[in-house]
Parts: sequence; structure tokens; C-alpha cells
Amino acid sequence: KAGVTQTPRYLIKTRGQQVTLSCSPISGHRSVSWYQQTPGQGLQFLFEYFSETQRNKGNFPGRFSGRQFSNSRSEMNVSTLELGDSALYLCASSLMSGGATDTQYFGPGTRLTVL
Amino acid sequence: SQKIEQNSEALNIQEGKTATLTCNYTNYSPAYLQWYRQDPGRGPVFLLLIRENEKEKRKERLKVTFDTTLKQSLFHITASQPADSATYLCALGVYTGGFKTIFGAGTRLFVKA
Repeated sequence: KAGVTQTPRYLIKTRGQQVTLSCSPISGHRSVSWYQQTPGQGLQFLFEYFSETQRNKGNFPGRFSGRQFSNSRSEMNVSTLELGDSALYLCASSLMSGGATDTQYFGPGTRLTVL
Repeated sequence: SQKIEQNSEALNIQEGKTATLTCNYTNYSPAYLQWYRQDPGRGPVFLLLIRENEKEKRKERLKVTFDTTLKQSLFHITASQPADSATYLCALGVYTGGFKTIFGAGTRLFVKA
């Protein structure tokens, strides 16, 4: 089975711009969670989608949004980028919602740099 | 406040020894706890999951314990190898109207040959 894929792998944007990141989960997985990883804050939960519905949300401003399509692929969008949004954005897929009872499989991440 | 604490200092051990990593948490009631390995520039890789009603889990050279009274998990790698050098993350599964996973900051492990 192919693993979780994320595109693009690297992105450079300037403050005020917006960005869309994409995640394709493992075939058959219906849950996609997004995380932000920075050296100072570690891995922080952004939100989780299961069967096209947002099931859970972390403590991030409304500039961070996401969606999931019927084929389980997910996108996250960050509008009005700030310098502090520079981070590694990781998505994880699992069979069940929230990875509660089974493994979360992570993608390689998208490295976003905001100048 | 809610916290997950892992050894902030890197752990240096000699090949063949047992590495023990600690995860302490406060003000959480996790239904389960997971350990992940992360290599530089890569996403975390799942290693083990232990539920709140389990005391210990093993997988090959890995062992994890979970003490909900002490609010602590210990992660052991026996007969460690240089290839085990990585950052190890502990993660709590908590229910807040839906399950979500809260990660600790991780502990860097270096295994010297």
C-alpha cells in the first residue's frame, strides 16, 4: 500500500499571502488529521476530518482551515500568512476517527517558510 | 494547566545498553498513550500503543509501561543500536467530544557504537 503523501514538500511564501497544502491518506483510511510542528511548540494538533466532516479542532486561529473530499483526500489552507506560521505541517491518516484505537500514519510533511 | 513532559535533555547511551525514556503528564485523563519515533526531516512513525487499563506492552526490543496513578509512561529500548538514534515522542489520546492526540516535545536519543 502506498503511504501518506503530502504536496508540496517545500513552500516559500511572504507575509499576507495564503497557502493550500494537500494530503492523500492511505487507501481505505477515512480519517485525516493535521499537525503543525515547530522547534518551540513541538507537534500541535490543528484539526481532524473523518468522512468529510471536521470531528475535532485544536487551538488555532480561524486563518487555519481545512476540508476533506469524498475520496478522503484533504487540504488545509492558511490565509494571511504570518512569520510565525513557518513550520513543518504534517498530516496523518488512520482508519478510525481520531486514531483512537489504531495507528496514525504520518506523511513526510510540507515545510512552509514565511518571509 | 495541562502538560506533557519528556526528558528535555538528549539521552546518550552506549550500544547494547537499555535506553529508558520518560513521559509524565498532568491534568489529562488519557484513554491511551502512544510512542512514536521521528527522524530528522521526516514524519513520526508509530511504535506502540498502550491503553489506560493496560500496565505494560512489548514489541520486539521495545517495552512501554503506563501508570495512570503516577501519570507516567516509561519507554524502554533493550540492546540499543546506533540505528535507534532518533527523537521519540509520547502522545496522549484524550477525549474532548471526539478523540485527539496530544504530543509531547520528544526526547533525542543518541546511541554510540
